[in-house]
Parts: sequence; structure tokens; C-alpha cells
Amino acid sequence: GAVVSQHPSRVICKSGTSVKIECRSLDFQATTMFWYRQFPKKSLMLMATSNEGSKATYEQGVEKDKFLINHASLTLSTLTVTSAHPEDSSFYICSAPREAGPDTQYFGPGTRLTVL
Amino acid sequence: DAKTTQPNSMESNEEEPVHLPCNHSTISGTDYIHWYRQLPSQGPEYVIHGLTSNVNNRMASLAIAEDRKSSTLILHRATLRDAAVYYCILRDGFNNDMRFGAGTRLTVKP
Repeated sequence: GAVVSQHPSRVICKSGTSVKIECRSLDFQATTMFWYRQFPKKSLMLMATSNEGSKATYEQGVEKDKFLINHASLTLSTLTVTSAHPEDSSFYICSAPREAGPDTQYFGPGTRLTVL
Repeated sequence: DAKTTQPNSMESNEEEPVHLPCNHSTISGTDYIHWYRQLPSQGPEYVIHGLTSNVNNRMASLAIAEDRKSSTLILHRATLRDAAVYYCILRDGFNNDMRFGAGTRLTVKP
């Protein structure tokens, strides 16, 4: 069964509004979670690393004020797309490693964001 | 991060084996070779990973070249449900972040 969930699975919003996406690890604690963005027919692009109890680490070119990340507990990370615009429409995916090191990483089912 | 190179696409017939190649000539000694696959509109799914020795699990086999500069994911009998984009990723043994290349889009024909 799924070990990482995301909510909502899809969301449609108006331009200028903010949207929050939740990522939960279901049966394990994750001090670190990762957020990816994927455009149609493209590969996943790592946006940021979410760290429980501290600030997220953003990849180069990703605006931290636009994509707010909060890792409030060991099982929950949230990504808020602020003042969304149509170009933010994408498939957002989170992941979490069950343990540190080279072990498998579990991905959420993704959230389809459409900004009108 | 060490880079991987995969063919953009491959085709297979149902019930036949599939060999998906991956080149990673700049792999370092601490890099693990991971394979994930992504079905349409879903998050990636773990397939297999290894360091130096060949690996087998219920989904696939991973053959790693002796010099570790290439690897091959083997699906022993392709099914229609195996149609997906397959990603070969190198992960440092100390870091958890994963960076995806373009992957190989596998089409399985009935």
C-alpha cells in the first residue's frame, strides 16, 4: 500500500490565489522530504528539500517566497504555491526516504495543479 | 551529481524480456544505482537498486558492469502494465536527494 500520500490529488484555482499541497508519510517518520515539479512530457525537477524543524533548502532558480515549504512534524510537509499563475500549472510530487542513506525513497501519487 | 544517459524510448512485445540500458561513466565509488519507473499521472515507483553486484527482486533484475560505468535493468517478461518511463539514477550513499534524468519511455505492444 501507499506509504506517502498527497492531498489534494488535483486542484484548480484562479490566478493570484494560493494553494497548499500536503505530503504525509503514512507509516514512518521522515525528517527530510523532497518536492518535485513535473511539466507534461518532461522529467521530474527537484524543487526543494524540506527539513523537519528547520528551513527548507531550495534548488537554484526556485523562488522560496513563491513556493513556501513547511515541515511542521515528522510525518507532514506542506508546499504552498503563493499568488499562483498559469505558468505554475504542473504536477507536483513529494517523496520521503524511510531511512537515511541509499535506501529506497517513496514517492507520493502527485498533485495536479491547474491555474486558470 | 554524476549523470546518467538512457535511450529516449524503447519498444517491447508483451511476454518478452526487456533490457533497458543506462550509461553512467562518471559514477563515483559511493554512488548507488537506482531504478524507478513512472506510470502516467502517478508518482515514481521504486524498482531496484544496487552498488556493485547484480541484484534480483520480484520486479526485475539489475545487471551492473564490472567497471560500474553502465547497468541494465531487465524485465524478464514484459506486460502491458510495465509500460512506463524508466529512470536510472545515481545516489550518493550519504545523501537522500534524487535527481532525475530524462528516462526511457518503454512501450509494450500486445
